[in-house]
Amino acid sequence: GENVEQHPSTLSVQEGDSAVIKCTYSDSASNYFPWYKQELGKRPQLIIDIRSNVGEKKDQRIAVTLNKTAKHFSLHITETQPEDSAVYFCAASPDRGSTLGRLYFGRGTQLTVWP
Amino acid sequence: NAGVTQTPKFQVLKTGQSMTLQCAQDMNHEYMSWYRQDPGMGLRLIHYSVGAGITDQGEVPNGYNVSRSTTEDFPLRLLSAAPSQTSVYFCASRSTGARTGELFFGEGSRLTVL
Repeated sequence: GENVEQHPSTLSVQEGDSAVIKCTYSDSASNYFPWYKQELGKRPQLIIDIRSNVGEKKDQRIAVTLNKTAKHFSLHITETQPEDSAVYFCAASPDRGSTLGRLYFGRGTQLTVWP
Repeated sequence: NAGVTQTPKFQVLKTGQSMTLQCAQDMNHEYMSWYRQDPGMGLRLIHYSVGAGITDQGEVPNGYNVSRSTTEDFPLRLLSAAPSQTSVYFCASRSTGARTGELFFGEGSRLTVL
């Protein structure tokens, strides 16, 4: 099945700086790549996603880039704020084969934004 | 809409006991799934269902059973709990209008097996 690797596992930045989280995947059949944010004690929630026919997608301070050739995708957060502090998960989902529609998660990145 | 509702939120079991984690959604989603979350391990898929009467195994299915008799409900059963099943469990659902899409998670159920 799909294998998603995520780096770094922890990331500390100063308020106002940018944060970048990187993920790689193994299954060339994957074509959907969402990012989830999980605040302490809460449920994961989707913050942005990208499909394989798009190289970059932006939503205010958050952007995701995808390189299908290299099988990696990244989350970029600009002008970080303390409320961005959370665990971020990347994920990948194949669109064909026996694992069609399954969502495979990375191990998560604990982002801490210091005021 | 309540979204995805899980019960109980907390549970303590002794080794060998059985229990069922309940999950219900009111969004008419065909796809439902169970994940477990352990520190440093991310979210791992236990079982999933693409519609009533259809279930399949995920990455870590051993020790768990599921059934899907209605579109709304997707219970997860632990037949004989083990300490290795201590975890936070999340139920999640999504529409299958597209092959992929946003997963909506429940609030989670924290299970401790002594």
